[in-house]
Amino acid sequence: DTAVSQTPKYLVTQMGNDKSIKCEQNLGHDTMYWYKQDSKKFLKIMFSYNNKELIINETVPNRFSPKSPDKAHLNLHINSLELGDSAVYFCASSQGAEGTQYFGPGTRLLVL
Amino acid sequence: AQSVTQPDIHITVSEGASLELRCNYSYGATPYLFWYVQSPGQGLQLLLKYFSGDTLVQGIKGFEAEFKRSQSSFNLRKPSVHWSDAAEYFCAVWGSGNTGKLIFGQGTTLQVKP
Repeated sequence: DTAVSQTPKYLVTQMGNDKSIKCEQNLGHDTMYWYKQDSKKFLKIMFSYNNKELIINETVPNRFSPKSPDKAHLNLHINSLELGDSAVYFCASSQGAEGTQYFGPGTRLLVL
Repeated sequence: AQSVTQPDIHITVSEGASLELRCNYSYGATPYLFWYVQSPGQGLQLLLKYFSGDTLVQGIKGFEAEFKRSQSSFNLRKPSVHWSDAAEYFCAVWGSGNTGKLIFGQGTTLQVKP
């Protein structure tokens, strides 16, 4: 069983569209994260949730909206996609903010 | 503000040779430090971490890292590299505030020559 899974693995879409990426963890963790990896492989945190409560909200355009329906899921919805949103998005989870973070395989988003 | 610098963008070593990947951090207090590896097309896997105690930490896949406070460094080492070690390596530090925020370095691409 995959510990942290993301769907879809690849996402190709047109500018202006709205899309969602889903993340699920079966580790029983209470904290989940979204990271963005740009074309230069630089990784930066976007959001984190602890027990469905938003803890970290970095300087991210408000077109990005995370949603945590329960502790095991953290989805990322992106409105009005732009070319600059093309990146790899990683979900991660940990037990508490001090726990080791386990990463999903990533979702490769390409905006045309 | 906390930051992590990995001075080497790209390193090539021969299979069987030793490896050292450099990492320097900027942090006011005692840092919590991590090394992650990203294989092509894959997610990140934790190699090892330093929280406190012994400054030489052992990780998975034969890797180790040494925390040197005087040099603000946390370099990753492996005595003998295997072809399967070719990957992207990221050093990271926990940001302040106990939020779990990881601050990553730019990454080092490791290429292994046969």
